[in-house]
Amino acid sequence: DQQVKQNSPSLSVQEGRISILNCDYTNSMFDYFLWYKKYPAEGPTFLISISSIKDKNEDGRFTVFLNKSAKHLSLHIVPSQPGDSAVYFCAASFPSTGNQFYFGTGTSLTVIP
Amino acid sequence: GAGVSQSPSNKVTEKGKDVELRCDPISGHTALYWYRQSLGQGLEFLIYFQGNSAPDKSGLPSDRFSAERTGGSVSTLTIQRTQQEDSAVYLCASSPRGAGTQYFGPGTRLTVL
Repeated sequence: DQQVKQNSPSLSVQEGRISILNCDYTNSMFDYFLWYKKYPAEGPTFLISISSIKDKNEDGRFTVFLNKSAKHLSLHIVPSQPGDSAVYFCAASFPSTGNQFYFGTGTSLTVIP
Repeated sequence: GAGVSQSPSNKVTEKGKDVELRCDPISGHTALYWYRQSLGQGLEFLIYFQGNSAPDKSGLPSDRFSAERTGGSVSTLTIQRTQQEDSAVYLCASSPRGAGTQYFGPGTRLTVL
């Protein structure tokens, strides 16, 4: 049972435009969410996180939005750069299983120069 | 400082053989996780170690899978009597505590022929 879903396996965006990556979850107990970025042949690297007490967290070109009522998370990259081309995973956890993160299947982003 | 390292980077084995995958976490990180990513799938949680506590083995798919962590540092994931469906990238991650950002290694790509 996939509790964290990324329904778009791939996304292509022109350089300089906004990239929006989406993530949906089913468990309303999730209280901590993260985005990871993964290049080929490398492990995922942490990008940005958000706690359920917030609805937005910004770090440079990256902003994560959380809509708890819709159980929806999104990552905005503005402006998109070719180096942003990678697979992006969202992940979620909740207090009683702080040790276990549930990951989505990933969205492959291609930024076209 | 050094990140999470994993060895080997690639492993090809024959069905029925046993394999051992190694993970060296970041020094001082008390939490260590194993995940696997099968083709087209998200990261699947396997097992979690936190300090000297009993590991959370809830994600291990069968009793052919086991893991240990010696001295609170290096971890070995063992798969006995490998099957073709075990083919995946096995990722190790560590974190400074039991929750929060996880730092991933580059993974071991296991191919079972």
